[in-house]
Amino acid sequence: EADIYQTPRYLVIGTGKKITLECSQTMGHDKMYWYQQDPGMELHLIHYSYGVNSTEKGDLSSESTVSRIRTEHFPLTLESARPSHTSQYLCASSERFMNTEAFFGQGTRLTVV
Amino acid sequence: GDSVTQMEGPVTLSEEAFLTINCTYTATGYPSLFWYVQYPGEGLQLLLKATKADDKGSNKGFEATYRKETTSFHLEKGSVQVSDSAVYFCALSGSGGGFKTIFGAGTRLFVKA
Repeated sequence: EADIYQTPRYLVIGTGKKITLECSQTMGHDKMYWYQQDPGMELHLIHYSYGVNSTEKGDLSSESTVSRIRTEHFPLTLESARPSHTSQYLCASSERFMNTEAFFGQGTRLTVV
Repeated sequence: GDSVTQMEGPVTLSEEAFLTINCTYTATGYPSLFWYVQYPGEGLQLLLKATKADDKGSNKGFEATYRKETTSFHLEKGSVQVSDSAVYFCALSGSGGGFKTIFGAGTRLFVKA
């Protein structure tokens, strides 16, 4: 069982609100990722981190921001939520080596009304 | 750039039928190959992996062989169960794309009793 946790699991929020999706892992992994998953199931990488104080934008442009102040914690923030942000957000982590597997959290399903 | 192509779904099978989900990849270097599974309402979890050519990954009755000559990593299971209904993702890591894991678009499997 993977030791990576996301909260909340489900969130319904009004337009214009600021939200933070939490992601924590207890495996000591250097690399962490945020994916957005559309209804067609495809995964889109929106942010990643090599380690503390390292963050990069992914392949899909996103209005969200991330921070990596501690190894175990990789929160994602939306300053002003919009209905177009409605989606499933998946957090993942992996060891520093290139060929290793990724461990995923259970996801946060965000609905902006 | 690196990419993963897997067969489109949904795939609908009766219980005890044989399953094949095709996956081909394009990569520079020598990536590791993975199959992940996503059950309804959950994050992804690793199903099996192979790290070099001719390796066979296996788990829970599923198998896939790393075929460098055909750049393929097809997923097979001899007898599916209703509980295998899920979305399956083929992925690669550790190639020219650097540390990032490249995912296929996912294939949804429905198994009928």
